[in-house]
Amino acid sequence: NAGVTQTPKFRVLKTGQSMTLLCAQDMNHEYMYWYRQDPGMGLRLIHYSVGEGTTAKGEVPDGYNVSRLKKQNFLLGLESAAPSQTSVYFCASSYQGEAQYFGPGTRLTVL
Amino acid sequence: AQSVTQLGSHVSVSEGALVLLRCNYSSSVPPYLFWYVQYPNQGLQLLLKYTTGATLVKGINGFEAEFKKSETSFHLTKPSAHMSDAAEYFCAVSDFPNQFYFGTGTSLTVIP
Repeated sequence: NAGVTQTPKFRVLKTGQSMTLLCAQDMNHEYMYWYRQDPGMGLRLIHYSVGEGTTAKGEVPDGYNVSRLKKQNFLLGLESAAPSQTSVYFCASSYQGEAQYFGPGTRLTVL
Repeated sequence: AQSVTQLGSHVSVSEGALVLLRCNYSSSVPPYLFWYVQYPNQGLQLLLKYTTGATLVKGINGFEAEFKKSETSFHLTKPSAHMSDAAEYFCAVSDFPNQFYFGTGTSLTVIP
């Protein structure tokens, strides 16, 4: 039982490049989330999903897209990376409104 | 939308002293409440949660928190701090079923 895993762990991009972050969970959770964590700002919700094939915007969705084609996977895409997207990205999953379980994070630097 | 306020972005305690981390939330209905801990370069780990029932909740590593509806508070305590408790602590609120709101975190330093 791996819980929540994230790929990759680290990434450096140049401005304008694109990339996809992968989140996978093996707990059969319906709900999945993408957050970014920046110093002094806590966690901010980017997008979330309440089930396969559904997604919704969170607090800071601009510049990101997501897809939930399979229940266990939640992908976060950056179409044209900007330095302001330098952050640590966390994926989480939960059973409805119960506690969230977090992945180890992806450190992204955009130059 | 909910909001979560953690009083004190940095808290220092001596080893063996009481740990008290404060959390207040805004909600018109009883929410689900959580405390998470984050060690350096790691993800968030659930310490404890309140959903329904007993308002004093016990978690891992000797931590506990009390839900006080009248004060809209969910403060985290531990009777005796250990060096291993040094970490970032986040309070979170869920307004069921799908939105979670996090505080900005409190960094706990334990002084030997």
